[in-house]
Amino acid sequence: DQQVKQNSPSLSVQEGRISILNCDYTNSMFDYFLWYKKYPAEGPTFLISISSIKDKNEDGRFTVFLNKSAKHLSLHIVPSQPGDSAVYFCAAPRGSGYALNFGKGTSLLVTP
Amino acid sequence: NAGVTQTPKFQVLKTGQSMTLQCAQDMNHEYMSWYRQDPGMGLRLIHYSVGAGITDQGEVPNGYNVSRSTTEDFPLRLLSAAPSQTSVYFCASSYSTATSDTQYFGPGTRLTVL
Repeated sequence: DQQVKQNSPSLSVQEGRISILNCDYTNSMFDYFLWYKKYPAEGPTFLISISSIKDKNEDGRFTVFLNKSAKHLSLHIVPSQPGDSAVYFCAAPRGSGYALNFGKGTSLLVTP
Repeated sequence: NAGVTQTPKFQVLKTGQSMTLQCAQDMNHEYMSWYRQDPGMGLRLIHYSVGAGITDQGEVPNGYNVSRSTTEDFPLRLLSAAPSQTSVYFCASSYSTATSDTQYFGPGTRLTVL
């Protein structure tokens, strides 16, 4: 039973526009969420995180929003750039944080 | 720091063969884990370790074995390879703190089982 869900396998956005990637979760005990970015033939790299005591966290062009009542979070990329084309994974810690629960990922394509 | 390193990068096996995927980290992280990535499935946890000498199963452990004799190394053994184990394997490590769950990933091993 997947506890972190990304229901959009792919997203295509024009350069300069906003990219919005969505993630839902089922476990209300999750108190921390992370987004990872993955390029082909590379390992995932950490992008941005948010604690459940916040509803927004911003880092440059990347902002993550958390709606606890809806068990939903989203990653906004503004403005989108071709170099942002990658697979984005939403994740939440397992147990004490020894590993992560990952969503299935959303493949973002930013076109010039 | 080299971070998390994995060897080999690519491997082709025949059904029934065994092999070990190597993983090492030089960040003195207590937590280490193995994931597999399959198309449309995200990353699924195979095994993990919370310290030297301590390992446990993740969500897809069948057909794999691990051990953690040192903090730095966490090898993954395929006992008798099957085509269903064709996948990309990622090793990860992290600190064991309540405020940082950021995992650092290696570059992956692409395994094909014929």
